[in-house]
Amino acid sequence: GNSVTQMEGPVTLSEEAFLTINCTYTATGYPSLFWYVQYPGEGLQLLLKATKADDKGSNKGFEATYRKETTSFHLEKGSVQVSDSAVYFCALNSYNNDMRFGAGTRLTVKP
Amino acid sequence: EAGVTQSPTHLIKTRGQQVTLRCSPISGHTSVYWYQQALGLGLQFLLWYDEGEERNRGNFPPRFSGRQFPNYSSELNVNALELEDSALYLCASSPDREEDTQYFGPGTRLTVL
Repeated sequence: GNSVTQMEGPVTLSEEAFLTINCTYTATGYPSLFWYVQYPGEGLQLLLKATKADDKGSNKGFEATYRKETTSFHLEKGSVQVSDSAVYFCALNSYNNDMRFGAGTRLTVKP
Repeated sequence: EAGVTQSPTHLIKTRGQQVTLRCSPISGHTSVYWYQQALGLGLQFLLWYDEGEERNRGNFPPRFSGRQFPNYSSELNVNALELEDSALYLCASSPDREEDTQYFGPGTRLTVL
């Protein structure tokens, strides 16, 4: 079945550091891939998405590229801020809209 | 544009009781999804409704059920509550059954004592 594996956390970085959160997937067919962010006490917010191979999703300085050859969708940001502290979820959606999520990676950015 | 709304925000129940959670999708969205986010178990898909019909169901027992109303709002019902049902229940919506992007509400925190 479809599944997502993402980098275990927690991740602690200093402000302005470079961020990478790894995400790989297993899926039949051609799923769409997503990154969601969850701030403390809130629901999930869509951060970015990509729907086909080599697509790059980007938003708020974050970006991720759909790599079919390595079945990956790693999240990157060049310079993190304290306000980026949150839990990040990688997800895929294939047929039947049964969205599969990774376990989540908690990011803490220190000033 | 208002986002997905859920009520109540928090709920405390005792084992064996029944609970109903409510969700209003983004205006114009016809598909509603329910997820359970339990500590240590991550996000798990519960149910998908579209145009008033159940389209897909996750690996949960029958005491988890729901429905979707003509205005596309939805209810999630959980009967015979167990301690393990304590979780954040998230509702999401999408414009229709073909659109694969889901937009999430803030969730309902259920505590079962």
